[in-house]
Amino acid sequence: GAVVSQHPSRVICKSGTSVKIECRSLDFQATTMFWYRQFPKQSLMLMATSNEGSKATYEQGVEKDKFLINHASLTLSTLTVTSAHPEDSSFYICSAIPGDGRSSTDTQYFGPGTRLTVL
Amino acid sequence: AQSVTQLDSQVPVFEEAPVELRCNYSSSVSVYLFWYVQYPNQGLQLLLKYLSGSTLVKGINGFEAEFNKSQTSFHLRKPSVHISDTAEYFCAVIGGDYKLSFGAGTTVTVRA
Repeated sequence: GAVVSQHPSRVICKSGTSVKIECRSLDFQATTMFWYRQFPKQSLMLMATSNEGSKATYEQGVEKDKFLINHASLTLSTLTVTSAHPEDSSFYICSAIPGDGRSSTDTQYFGPGTRLTVL
Repeated sequence: AQSVTQLDSQVPVFEEAPVELRCNYSSSVSVYLFWYVQYPNQGLQLLLKYLSGSTLVKGINGFEAEFNKSQTSFHLRKPSVHISDTAEYFCAVIGGDYKLSFGAGTTVTVRA
């Protein structure tokens, strides 16, 4: 099956530093990837849609200057949390759609998530 | 816009007993419905999905769900659960775009 990886799985950083999270589709190419955020005991909230070769599309209320997304290749999207603060602590999950993602029914394959803790 | 409501936040169940997780959706357009499972500190795994056709959908791990358009529901069922089914379950819907809208989740705890 389609596999999506994330790195790192856990990261602890000091307030004010930046953290980069990688999302890779291991056995397929993905034009479209998504970044979600999940608070403890809560559902996933879509943060942004990452499109290879173009700018990401952010959901309302998500600061694009704080959460920088780069989808430089068909197998890699990165999320950089800039100047992280304790309120940014969360579980970040990415997903990817195989192929060109032109159909809205294409299954999203999820990564295992990255636990970010900002001290 | 579309949305999903999961009616039960927590469902405790004994091993080998049946379980049903309830999901209702609202949408002004045709929808595609999904159930995902999340084990602790892991990402989501697709259990099953309804796109069209037969309203009874069978998924992995013995789960099935029934799409009911008149009741706008997509309840998930399993006739006999195992300890390993302890997890968080999310119902989700896609409407007119790629974006998945998730329900709040249902925590299933299976006890021996």
